[in-house]
Amino acid sequence: SAVISQKPSRDICQRGTSLTIQCQVDSQVTMMFWYRQQPGQSLTLIATANQGSEATYESGFVIDKFPISRPNLTFSTLTVSNMSPEDSSIYLCSVPTRGGASTDTQYFGPGTRLTVL
Amino acid sequence: GENVEQHPSTLSVQEGDSAVIKCTYSDSASNYFPWYKQELGKRPQLIIDIRSNVGEKKDQRIAVTLNKTAKHFSLHITETQPEDSAVYFCAASKESGGYQKVTFGTGTKLQVIP
Repeated sequence: SAVISQKPSRDICQRGTSLTIQCQVDSQVTMMFWYRQQPGQSLTLIATANQGSEATYESGFVIDKFPISRPNLTFSTLTVSNMSPEDSSIYLCSVPTRGGASTDTQYFGPGTRLTVL
Repeated sequence: GENVEQHPSTLSVQEGDSAVIKCTYSDSASNYFPWYKQELGKRPQLIIDIRSNVGEKKDQRIAVTLNKTAKHFSLHITETQPEDSAVYFCAASKESGGYQKVTFGTGTKLQVIP
């Protein structure tokens, strides 16, 4: 499986500010996914980041709030913009084992624990 | 869209007993069903998975069954140990708009009592 790292591992931010989370993979992957896990909750897909194209956002998530970059096949960033306390969550990136077919396993990064005051 | 329901939300068992977690899904296009274990403060880790052309899969103390007709799948852990204590998530995966789309269940917090 791919080795996935995220930065920062945690942060405490003031409301109204923005935070950019980085996800680095040790191998080239076509697709990367960004998830949110609110405290004590399940994982919710924010968007799919495909290299060379705009990210595809899920219902309830918009690009202005969660802009995503995918400059190459090993790296992606997720920005949480104009933060409010409701954005306090763990944010995780994940990558599929192969090309992102429906039967691919997804492996997760260690997550970024964000607290917004 | 896909909807995955998971039960129970919490489960306590004595060490050595079995634990069963059940999930249902709504979209017949889902064809891959992974199970993840998440320990406190850690990332979700895949523990077992099953594809829609298989009815059952076993890996040591862990087994998963799939009933495509009824759209439900279950995780079975036998001879539970304290280190099995964690939150378990089922998931259903399908192709959507050219991308893999994975929908997670709500999670089951398993506590194994020594």
